[in-house]
Amino acid sequence: AQSVTQPDIHITVSEGASLELRCNYSYGATPYLFWYVQSPGQGLQLLLKYFSGDTLVQGIKGFEAEFKRSQSSFNLRKPSVHWSDAAEYFCAVGSGFQKLVFGTGTRLLVSP
Amino acid sequence: GAVVSQHPSRVICKSGTSVKIECRSLDFQATTMFWYRQFPKQSLMLMATSNEGSKATYEQGVEKDKFLINHASLTLSTLTVTSAHPEDSSFYICSARAQGGSGNTIYFGEGSWLTVV
Repeated sequence: AQSVTQPDIHITVSEGASLELRCNYSYGATPYLFWYVQSPGQGLQLLLKYFSGDTLVQGIKGFEAEFKRSQSSFNLRKPSVHWSDAAEYFCAVGSGFQKLVFGTGTRLLVSP
Repeated sequence: GAVVSQHPSRVICKSGTSVKIECRSLDFQATTMFWYRQFPKQSLMLMATSNEGSKATYEQGVEKDKFLINHASLTLSTLTVTSAHPEDSSFYICSARAQGGSGNTIYFGEGSWLTVV
């Protein structure tokens, strides 16, 4: 069965510092991987996605993620965090473009 | 990018009544839409897959008679919570698969807050 693990429930990062949010998945075939961001009380915005090809994926708002098959990971990174990045981040895995299985989310707090 | 709109964004209803939530793909056709439920400070859980012109596919443990899903057109899916109870209060989010010009990916609506009093 598909599953996604986001081991960090909360992460606090100083503004301007780098960020890495961890995501590990379990899936029997080549996964389709996504990162979404959710601001309080709102829907989900797609940050980036990986289907195939280059394992380093660039997304919106300066985010990137790297697919590492050997580690079953798809960690999200940003070199310099802005206060507006504070939100909940969800990693998700799916088979093709069908239903997604989400991780439990990581809440990012940005300190001044 | 593709846009998925949900309506209403917030609704309060009395216990025992029914409430309908709409999910529309505004600039693309979606043969398949998905309905998720999210409890406060928790992740999203898939409730059902909505297929245009056919019956929805429900996830295990989701009551299909309570959560009625209709996908009447390629741009609209509706979720009706019947005989709502306070425990149905939650954040409901839909998503739709966009293909072709909008990119082959999944886009989410803004979500709908349901409060049953």
